[in-house]
Amino acid sequence: EPEVTQTPSHQVTQMGQEVILRCVPISNHLYFYWYRQILGQKVEFLVSFYNNEISEKSEIFDDQFSVERPDGSNFTLKIRSTKLEDSAMYFCASSPGRRNSPLHFGNGTRLTVT
Amino acid sequence: DAKTTQPNSMESNEEEPVHLPCNHSTISGTDYIHWYRQLPSQGPEYVIHGLTSNVNNRMASLAIAEDRKSSTLILHRATLRDAAVYYCILRDPRPDSNYKLTFGKGTLLTVNP
Repeated sequence: EPEVTQTPSHQVTQMGQEVILRCVPISNHLYFYWYRQILGQKVEFLVSFYNNEISEKSEIFDDQFSVERPDGSNFTLKIRSTKLEDSAMYFCASSPGRRNSPLHFGNGTRLTVT
Repeated sequence: DAKTTQPNSMESNEEEPVHLPCNHSTISGTDYIHWYRQLPSQGPEYVIHGLTSNVNNRMASLAIAEDRKSSTLILHRATLRDAAVYYCILRDPRPDSNYKLTFGKGTLLTVNP
């Protein structure tokens, strides 16, 4: 069964550095999402993306965050200047695009900001 | 987004059925009820969804109350691999959001051997 894959599985970075988290969604999917989960807390929506544009973003997704689908297969999340509070698991998801088609999640990238 | 209420935790024994409840008293007529689960150290995983009628699939069954203000996820025979956080979610009906999911705290299911 096709899977959403995320790399790296664990990223350690220093405060103020830029990080790029990478995702390869399932190939025929149309909708893409990023979520994050701070340790011990809820899974939080960050952004949804369709047709090379952001469809919706949450309050968390401020100017420090950006998303891109650079080559038609990868889907990236960039954090320009990381803060300690950005430490979390970041999950990418994709779905075929119909109203009730399930979201398929990757296993996440654990970002640690020191 | 319409909200759901679930117990923080539940326990069950291996090979016994598990009934995970969810209240969604403010559900609207077009809200679909979705269930996902999150195994330890993994991303969320789709389990099942429904609108009005009860639903069955290879993973679970979903029983929806007649007034749709509550639902129950049924695992027919719990295994140790079913230990996870189970989320009951009313899927965002707006295409502008790409029908995003909004997660609550879910129910942590512990399965005893």
